[in-house]
Amino acid sequence: QSVLTQPPSVSGAPGQRVTISCTGSSSNIGAGYDVHWYQQLPGTAPKVLIYGNSNRPSGVPDRFSGSKSGTSASLAITGLQAEDEADYYCQSYDSSLSGRAVVFGGGTKLTVL
Amino acid sequence: QVQLQESGPGLVKPSGTLSLTCAVSGGSISSSNWWSWVRQPPGMGLEWIGEIYHSGSTSYNPSLKSRVTISVDKSKNQFSLKLSSVTAADTAVYYCASRLAVAGTLRAFDIWGQGTMVTVSS
Repeated sequence: QSVLTQPPSVSGAPGQRVTISCTGSSSNIGAGYDVHWYQQLPGTAPKVLIYGNSNRPSGVPDRFSGSKSGTSASLAITGLQAEDEADYYCQSYDSSLSGRAVVFGGGTKLTVL
Repeated sequence: QVQLQESGPGLVKPSGTLSLTCAVSGGSISSSNWWSWVRQPPGMGLEWIGEIYHSGSTSYNPSLKSRVTISVDKSKNQFSLKLSSVTAADTAVYYCASRLAVAGTLRAFDIWGQGTMVTVSS
């Protein structure tokens, strides 16, 4: 089980808006750690989509946006396109008795209908 | 522009030790970056293994800590992963990745290698 919880799958028609949630706890997202989002196309390495909760690297379309509140974060994709079909992962940090560790969500598969 | 390239055996026997290296090009391993290993079993999600700073400071996934060693070789501008006592559950694509070390923030992994598949089988 992943420390950060994401829905296994979401889907939407071209042009629609979808959101992907990432739920954590008081030891990770709720502790104030930033949330980052990655897009992984089939057979490729993950790529940063959103960093620092809501910032887009250069080259990422403004159709992608991120937000964070309390112990959760969300990725929103508007104007869905066929090329958006991919796996999406949230990532943050977790503090425990063992120290600080990088944690990922379990991933969400986006299907463009 | 920094690039990462993983290398190592694609097949490891059960109970053996998995050893991988990540070559850093286009930049110095002594820069202000954390150098990490992330793995992805077939059809599954991403799992952080651990990371190292050029000073030698390390941080490991608690669930793997007893079996993992990450080291840095400044002379070769590379860092390495050793995972001992492997089983079939360690079969995965192994990625090396990097994130900037910035005081007060924990940055995203903005540089990734292409990944290398390692199968644990006799």
